[in-house]
Amino acid sequence: EPEVTQTPSHQVTQMGQEVILRCVPISNHLYFYWYRQILGQKVEFLVSFYNNEISEKSEIFDDQFSVERPDGSNFTLKIRSTKLEDSAMYFCASTGTAPKNTEAFFGQGTRLTVV
Amino acid sequence: GQQVMQIPQYQHVQEGEDFTTYCNSSTTLSNIQWYKQRPGGHPVFLIQLVKSGEVKKQKRLTFQFGEAKKNSSLHITATQTTDVGTYFCAAPRPGTGYSTLTFGKGTMLLVSP
Repeated sequence: EPEVTQTPSHQVTQMGQEVILRCVPISNHLYFYWYRQILGQKVEFLVSFYNNEISEKSEIFDDQFSVERPDGSNFTLKIRSTKLEDSAMYFCASTGTAPKNTEAFFGQGTRLTVV
Repeated sequence: GQQVMQIPQYQHVQEGEDFTTYCNSSTTLSNIQWYKQRPGGHPVFLIQLVKSGEVKKQKRLTFQFGEAKKNSSLHITATQTTDVGTYFCAAPRPGTGYSTLTFGKGTMLLVSP
């Protein structure tokens, strides 16, 4: 069964450092997303990406965040200068060829710990 | 912004008992999705409801979408220990043409054998 893969599974970084979280969406999917989940809390939308550009972003996705699709398979989330409150599980998701009313496939997540 | 309220926050049942979680929105939803997240895991899609009053079943799970498309429920009959996890409802963010989701806070289900 196709799946979304994320690397690394766990990243520890010092406050102020840059991190890049990587995702390989399902190969024929066209819509990509990043969500985050602070421990014990709900899943929160960060950003959606289609046709090589951001289609929507939430209030959380400020100037410290950026996304990129550097090649035909990877989708990355960069946090430029991490803060303690960025510690969370970050999930990448993708949806299929139709943007509306389709299930989201989530990756296993990257647990980011900022110390 | 859009709010999707979910109750209860937590429920602990004995194996074999039933379980229900409820999801409410102040706005009419185009559709609602349900996800399950096992402890330490990632959200896994369960189902999507689109039509007013829709009821769908998956084995012991029954999903309902309200007539006004503002509320939904997930009912599990005769819970098993494998049902343990957090159940989230999720609705598309309004005004978007994409599957960008607003999640409820989830209901954590614990099942004791």
